Amino acid sequence: QKEVEQNSGPLSVPEGAIASLNCTYSDRGSQSFFWYRQYSGKSPELIMSIYSNGDKEDGRFTAQLNKASQYVSLLIRDSQPSDSATYLCAVSPDSSYKLIFGSGTRLLVRP
Amino acid sequence: DAGVIQSPRHEVTEMGQEVTLRCKPISGHDYLFWYRQTMMRGLELLIYFNNNVPIDDSGMPEDRFSAKMPNASFSTLKIQPSEPRDSAVYFCASSLRGGGATDTQYFGPGTRLTVL
Repeated sequence: QKEVEQNSGPLSVPEGAIASLNCTYSDRGSQSFFWYRQYSGKSPELIMSIYSNGDKEDGRFTAQLNKASQYVSLLIRDSQPSDSATYLCAVSPDSSYKLIFGSGTRLLVRP
Repeated sequence: DAGVIQSPRHEVTEMGQEVTLRCKPISGHDYLFWYRQTMMRGLELLIYFNNNVPIDDSGMPEDRFSAKMPNASFSTLKIQPSEPRDSAVYFCASSLRGGGATDTQYFGPGTRLTVL
C-alpha cells in the first residue's frame, strides 16, 4: 500500500466550477499536510498547508483535513483554465522535514 | 532572491558514465533536499541536509548515488556509474531554518537526466 494515495485523474471540470481533489494517507501519526501544484515541465510549488482538523481557506483554495479518516482534500472554487495542472498531496509523517508525496491528480479546467 | 538554482537543466549521458548534478539553495536556508521524479514512482525524497550535514539518506536508491554539501551554498548529487533506469527529473529544494516541519520547501527548476 502506498503511503499517500491520490486518484491520478484527469479530473475535468468546466470553468467556474468547484474542483475537488482528494488524498488519503496511511501513517496515522502524520502531523503536517501540504498541497503542491505542478505545471507541466515545471517544479512543484506550495499552495496550501494544513495541520489541524477542519478547513483552512486561502482565496479560492480550501484545504480540509480529517485525521480520524486519514484524508486531506483541496477544493478550488471558481476554477480557471490557469488552474489546469497536477496537484500533489504531501504528508510529513513525523516532526521531521521529510515529505512523502502522492503521485498527483491532473486537473483540467475546460474554458 | 534568485530562488534555488540547479545545473545543468538537461543532461544526456551514456550508461556507465558519471553524472554530477548541482544545486545552490536560497541564501539563508538551512535545509536542502534532493528529490527524484519519474512517471512510475512520482516524486521521491532521496536525501536531505541540515546545516550541511546529511540527516536522512534512506531514499538514496543504492550505492551508485552519493550526495555532498561542502558548504551552505552548494550541494551535489552524483551518480556513478549511471544506468538507464536513473533517467528522471531531479529536483533540489531548500527551506528556511527553524519553524519545525511547517517551513515551505522551495523547489529548483530541476535537472532532466537521460541515460542512454
